[in-house]
Amino acid sequence: AQTVTQSQPEMSVQEAETVTLSCTYDTSESNYYLFWYKQPPSRQMILVIRQEAYKQQNATENRFSVNFQKAAKSFSLKISDSQLGDTAMYFCAFMKHIQGAQKLVFGQGTRLTINP
Amino acid sequence: DSGVTQTPKHLITATGQRVTLRCSPRSGDLSVYWYQQSLDQGLQFLIHYYNGEERAKGNILERFSAQQFPDLHSELNLSSLELGDSALYFCASSPPWGASEQYFGPGTRLTVT
Repeated sequence: AQTVTQSQPEMSVQEAETVTLSCTYDTSESNYYLFWYKQPPSRQMILVIRQEAYKQQNATENRFSVNFQKAAKSFSLKISDSQLGDTAMYFCAFMKHIQGAQKLVFGQGTRLTINP
Repeated sequence: DSGVTQTPKHLITATGQRVTLRCSPRSGDLSVYWYQQSLDQGLQFLIHYYNGEERAKGNILERFSAQQFPDLHSELNLSSLELGDSALYFCASSPPWGASEQYFGPGTRLTVT
């Protein structure tokens, strides 16, 4: 079974700083997807970024980028120029590439606080 | 706004009761997923339906059941409720053309007293 581990329960940085959230996963699959989801105080789950395992290039979405190390089974999220609105729980998630039956396996989350 | 709707937003009920949570996927999406978020178990996958058919089951209790209707909305039925069933229940949907993204609804907060 796949597992996802986020080793940082909480992090706190100043506004405009850069912060990196860590995620490791365990799988024997070679083809899969990885995601970061954000859950602000509203509790809505918001997709931040997606990475396909077969792509060597790291995904980027504006201020959000990932460092995907397939051999090390590591998938960290970097937030540049952090903003107060980035304050949220961040969940790393794994999904096998299987047609027709898909499920997300989530880590335990990292609570990120951006201080003014 | 993800385009996925869930009703009700909040539900308070007593132990032993039965409730139904409803989800409408984004327009054009054929897949519906249900997840449970609780303090002790985190976010856990419950079940996946695709165009009316069950495709995958996770850690879903026998007291829980789900279905997806011809109009593609889905319902999650929780019966013989226990205190431990108190949680946030999310529905998500994804496009039919093999894309991997799942878009989440706002969730239903269930409190069992």
